[in-house]
Amino acid sequence: GDQVEQSPSALSLHEGTGSALRCNFTTTMRAVQWFRKNSRGSLINLFYLASGTKENGRLKSAFDSKERYSTLHIRDAQLEDSGTYFCAAEVVSNYNVLYFGSGTKLTVEP
Amino acid sequence: GPKVLQIPSHQIIDMGQMVTLNCDPVSNHLYFYWYKQILGQQMEFLVNFYNGKVMEKSKLFKDQFSVERPDGSYFTLKIQPTALEDSAVYFCASSLEGRISDYTFGSGTRLLVI
Repeated sequence: GDQVEQSPSALSLHEGTGSALRCNFTTTMRAVQWFRKNSRGSLINLFYLASGTKENGRLKSAFDSKERYSTLHIRDAQLEDSGTYFCAAEVVSNYNVLYFGSGTKLTVEP
Repeated sequence: GPKVLQIPSHQIIDMGQMVTLNCDPVSNHLYFYWYKQILGQQMEFLVNFYNGKVMEKSKLFKDQFSVERPDGSYFTLKIQPTALEDSAVYFCASSLEGRISDYTFGSGTRLLVI
C-alpha cells in the first residue's frame, strides 16, 4: 500500500471548473490504471497508460514512469462526475499485482 | 459490458466461524484476484490465481485463507476461522490476459466479523 500516494483525498469543484488528481509512486511502475467507483461500488476503468497521455472527453491522464507519477485531469466538471477516483499501478517486476492509491472523493457542486 | 458478480454483497459472521465469499468472474477470463480494503484504507492485494493454482499471495493472505475455483464455477475465498481483523470489503477481479488493462472488478463483499 505504501507504493502509491494519491492526492488530494477529497476535492470539491463547481460545475464547469477543473482540477487534477495525482498519484506519486515510490518505485518504478510499469503501467497505471485510473478507475472510478460507480454508485454500485464497482470500479470502472477510465484509462490504462504504459506511458504518455490519453484523453477521453473531459478527462485526460498522463503517466511518467521515470518521474514516478500519474495525473488525471478533469475539465468542465459536471455533477455526474462526482464519485471516488482511484489510481492503481503495476510494478515493473510483477504485473499480476496492483498497488492502489487511497482514492480521491470528488464532489461537483452546482 | 461483462461483469464480475460477487455474492453475497454483505455478510455478518461470528468470530471463529467459517465464511466463503463467492465471485462469478467474466466467463472467458483466465486470471482471478482478491483484494481487501479495510475501512478508510487502500485496497490491497491478497492473491492471484491462474490455471487452478495460486500464483502469488501477499502477507495479508493468512494461513486461514484459501481460494479455489472448482470446475469453472465460482472463484471463492474461504476464511476459516475468521478473526475480527478480517472485517473489510473484499473485491474480486478477473482478467483475460492477466494485465491491468483488462481487469474487471466486482462490487465487493462487505464482511463484518463480530
